[in-house]
Amino acid sequence: QKEVEQNSGPLSVPEGAIASLNCTYSDRGSQSFFWYRQYSGKSPELIMFIYSNGDKEDGRFTAQLNKASQYVSLLIRDSQPSDSATYLCAVRNSGYSTLTFGKGTMLLVSP
Amino acid sequence: NAGVTQTPKFQVLKTGQSMTLQCAQDMNHNSMYWYRQDPGMGLRLIYYSASEGTTDKGEVPNGYNVSRLNKREFSLRLESAAPSQTSVYFCASSDSGRGNQPQHFGDGTRLSIL
Repeated sequence: QKEVEQNSGPLSVPEGAIASLNCTYSDRGSQSFFWYRQYSGKSPELIMFIYSNGDKEDGRFTAQLNKASQYVSLLIRDSQPSDSATYLCAVRNSGYSTLTFGKGTMLLVSP
Repeated sequence: NAGVTQTPKFQVLKTGQSMTLQCAQDMNHNSMYWYRQDPGMGLRLIYYSASEGTTDKGEVPNGYNVSRLNKREFSLRLESAAPSQTSVYFCASSDSGRGNQPQHFGDGTRLSIL
């Protein structure tokens, strides 16, 4: 059974701080990694994807990937109250088009 | 842009009733997926269709059937609903033929089985 692990949180940060969300995965052959944001009562929304080791930046978001350590993270700079949501890490299963999702980390950004 | 459209958005069933959840995408994606999401359990894959004409079981397929009607539409059927199937159901699609493409989700169907 392929596994994706995330701290369930909640992770509480003050407005303007950096939020760091982490994810580990078991499928060593995985090549594609995705971060989704899910507001309460809404559907998951893609915010970042990363395929190569290292950092990928998109606005206030930076995804970091370390395949050797089987670790992927998401940094949110200048956190805003509107960033308060559950963040889902998803890993593409090697050889398939399917994803395995972590259970998500709840982020709370206080004004 | 409609993206992935699910119907209905809400439904209440009695135990033993049957129901079909509908999903359609207008992005010309070749792969489609059905998930359920329960508190504390995350998103779990029920069935998927990697391409038109194929379907495969996911992590939690028991009690469900699917039909890939055409490239756009992928339906999920509960033949005899059980309270354990109370959940939020999400349909997703992806352009898997282009390599490592993400999945895009519909708004979900909130299903309660009494």
